[in-house]
Amino acid sequence: AQSVTQLDSQVPVFEEAPVELRCNYSSSVSVYLFWYVQYPNQGLQLLLKYLSGSTLVESINGFEAEFNKSQTSFHLRKPSVHISDTAEYFCAVSGRGYNFNKFYFGSGTKLNVKP
Amino acid sequence: KAGVTQTPRYLIKTRGQQVTLSCSPISGHRSVSWYQQTPGQGLQFLFEYFSETQRNKGNFPGRFSGRQFSNSRSEMNVSTLELGDSALYLCASSLGQGAMNEQFFGPGTRLTVL
Repeated sequence: AQSVTQLDSQVPVFEEAPVELRCNYSSSVSVYLFWYVQYPNQGLQLLLKYLSGSTLVESINGFEAEFNKSQTSFHLRKPSVHISDTAEYFCAVSGRGYNFNKFYFGSGTKLNVKP
Repeated sequence: KAGVTQTPRYLIKTRGQQVTLSCSPISGHRSVSWYQQTPGQGLQFLFEYFSETQRNKGNFPGRFSGRQFSNSRSEMNVSTLELGDSALYLCASSLGQGAMNEQFFGPGTRLTVL
């Protein structure tokens, strides 16, 4: 089985400042890793994912995350945040090679970008 | 292409009642998964359906059940509702099985049990 820990439940940050949202996972098998974003009253949207290859993955809106196998981490970073980035962010893990969809989600981190 | 739709968006029920939630996946998607989201427990996997068969199930009591129809639409049912069942229920669809297939989430159905 897998599990995900997001240590920070809330992260306040000023606009244009950098931010890092932390995610650690545990798993007995190799994994795929994901970050999802949830805006108020909406479902989850995929932000970025690590399946294989380069350990650094990027999203189209400036976020990036790096898969660190030795530290079992997949932290999400953005060098300069915008007000519109205010949302809740979820890290998720799924077992590699499974022929079914079963994602384990972290408890979420609320990013609050202040002007 | 239309996204994942869930109906109803909001629902209020009383303890002991039962409820049915509906999910229409993106056209062409054959896999539908259900999740329960609560402030205390976060997002928890309920079950997944593919080609009308339940392929995987989370750790929920038997009061939670679901099904998938031949057009891939899915329903989940909760019987004998309890206060703790109040949650946002999210449906996600994907083309196929396996985490390499991106899951697309619907807006959810917010269930309140009084």
